[in-house]
Amino acid sequence: NAGVTQTPKFQVLKTGQSMTLQCAQDMNHEYMSWYRQDPGMGLRLIHYSVGAGITDQGEVPNGYNVSRSTTEDFPLRLLSAAPSQTSVYFCASSRGQGRFSEAFFGQGTRLTVV
Amino acid sequence: GQQVMQIPQYQHVQEGEDFTTYCNSSTTLSNIQWYKQRPGGHPVFLIQLVKSGEVKKQKRLTFQFGEAKKNSSLHITATQTTDVGTYFCAGAGYQGAQKLVFGQGTRLTINP
Repeated sequence: NAGVTQTPKFQVLKTGQSMTLQCAQDMNHEYMSWYRQDPGMGLRLIHYSVGAGITDQGEVPNGYNVSRSTTEDFPLRLLSAAPSQTSVYFCASSRGQGRFSEAFFGQGTRLTVV
Repeated sequence: GQQVMQIPQYQHVQEGEDFTTYCNSSTTLSNIQWYKQRPGGHPVFLIQLVKSGEVKKQKRLTFQFGEAKKNSSLHITATQTTDVGTYFCAGAGYQGAQKLVFGQGTRLTINP
């Protein structure tokens, strides 16, 4: 039981490049989400999904796309990377709808855009 | 939109001193969760509070949820070096919102 797996752990992109951050969970959780963490800003919600085929925007969705074709996977796509997207990205999953349950986080992806 | 404010942003204490972090929401919450993130690590769930006025304890950690369900606190008694890290509160709002919104976190450092 691996929990939440994020790849890659580190990534350097040039401005304008696109890439996909991968997130997979093996706990059959319905709820998955992406956060970015910047110094002094805490964890800010980018996008989330309450089940396969359903996604919605969080606090800071601009510049990012998501899809949820399966329960297990929730990739985050950067369409055209900008230096402002330099951050640590965390994927999380949890069981609950309605009443939240514990969120399990991946190890994070440290992204630098130059 | 829903906002969760957390203070202080930083706290440095001597080992053995107490520590408290406070969390306030702009809207009434259905529940609040607390997480700990060690330096270089990922957030790890500590506890969830659901009921108005609820108080829960985990060894030296005491968690409270306000009567109006808009504020919460985490108090650590007699800190130890293993308590070092950033503590986050995260609130879930009403009206069917499925979003978990995190506070900015309080970074705790300890002088041994």
